[in-house]
Amino acid sequence: DIQMTQSPSSLSASVGDRVTITCRASQSFNNYLNWYQQKPGKAPKVLIYAASALQSGVPSRFSGSGSGTDFTLTISSLQPEDFATYYCQQSYVAPRTFGQGTKVEVK
Amino acid sequence: EVQLVESGGGLVQPGGSLSLSCAASGFTFSSSWMSWVRQAPGRGLEWVANIKQDGREKYYVDSVKGRFTISRDNAKNSLYLQMNSLRGEDTAVYYCAREGEPGGWRQLDYWGQGTLVTVSS
Repeated sequence: DIQMTQSPSSLSASVGDRVTITCRASQSFNNYLNWYQQKPGKAPKVLIYAASALQSGVPSRFSGSGSGTDFTLTISSLQPEDFATYYCQQSYVAPRTFGQGTKVEVK
Repeated sequence: EVQLVESGGGLVQPGGSLSLSCAASGFTFSSSWMSWVRQAPGRGLEWVANIKQDGREKYYVDSVKGRFTISRDNAKNSLYLQMNSLRGEDTAVYYCAREGEPGGWRQLDYWGQGTLVTVSS
């Protein structure tokens, strides 16, 4: 199975900050890497697919990059509605594993 | 509008069984891989299983192999998860989700609202 490791597990930030979350895979794969946002009590929502493609309707302040085993989600200017937990997921092979999550909290 | 509506959750004793359903609408269900994802209270997301469009390929996370069975009925636009030999660690909100457009990157682009399964005596 491919293990996905996110860092950090949590971070504190202010509105307007640039935020970066990283995701490392235990083995290399092509860009079947997705990022999700989840707010308390809600289902997750996909933000980025194919490592860097913006899902329809997602604000352009979200971006993804990376390849091989190392991937990054960046929020260019954090907005109040962006305080949430973020997960990476590989969809290259089953089981389609998730990272453990990164909680973005108010500083 | 795409909708996925789960049902069937509830309280069950350890060792018991439960069957979850997911009713799909607003897209061509028979053209999409479908997945189940769960989330234990206060924990992260865990992918559980997925099934190909025709139901002939199914994959599971190791922790549920031999206990859970994913299935679908394309005539009824429905996805199912039969859960047997349930354990406390299966307690979670269970989500059904669509695996994106056929031939795409398999992101989970639509999710249901989730149904809570509690395994406890």
